[in-house]
Amino acid sequence: EVQLLDSGGGSVQPGESLRLSCAASGFTFRNYAMTWVRQAPGKGLEWVSGIGASGGTTNYADSVKGRFTISRDNSKNMLYLQMNSLRVEDTAVYYCGKDGDYWGQGTLVTVSS
Amino acid sequence: DIQMTQSPSSLSASVGDRVTITCRTSQDIRNDLGWYQKKPGKAPKRLIYAAIHLQSGVPSRFSGSGSGTEFRLTISSLQPEDFATYYCLQHDSYPPAWTFGPGTKVEIK
Repeated sequence: EVQLLDSGGGSVQPGESLRLSCAASGFTFRNYAMTWVRQAPGKGLEWVSGIGASGGTTNYADSVKGRFTISRDNSKNMLYLQMNSLRVEDTAVYYCGKDGDYWGQGTLVTVSS
Repeated sequence: DIQMTQSPSSLSASVGDRVTITCRTSQDIRNDLGWYQKKPGKAPKRLIYAAIHLQSGVPSRFSGSGSGTEFRLTISSLQPEDFATYYCLQHDSYPPAWTFGPGTKVEIK
């Protein structure tokens, strides 16, 4: 059974950093691209970032480019999202996803002064 | 960047109704489109992949059609558990550089 466990969310002030983690199990992690999406309160789903299976290629939404970094450790079946220079508008539930078919339960990030 | 539109943005329907949601993309994405159901507090759930294929475990009342720039999600007979927001997602790139549609909220009439 595919399982994705998001963690690392919390409450921070603008300009601070957080690192989200996603622990994957139930599939051959190193064979799949992974992604992060988010949903701000009262808003729609927004794709945030994606990473290829080997970790060598990444993509970012314009709204987070230069501030967020996606990475993965295929030896540990872990996906990460390093979020720097956080803004109020980054407040959202963040979900990690396996190639679009399975998603974690989400982790809440709140950025507020 | 690929732009996505969905119509309608919301609809009211009754149990048993047939519902169709349309998604349009700004460029040809072949069949690289999925449909997702989102309920408050829950993770997104994929219903349809590659435009027309039913995700395993999803009821057959859900179906997808279309290719290129116009796609449709149809619910043949709306059930109480189907009241949710539905999103299309284009995934015409690797590594992922995807775009969600703005969503269609399906409410009880």
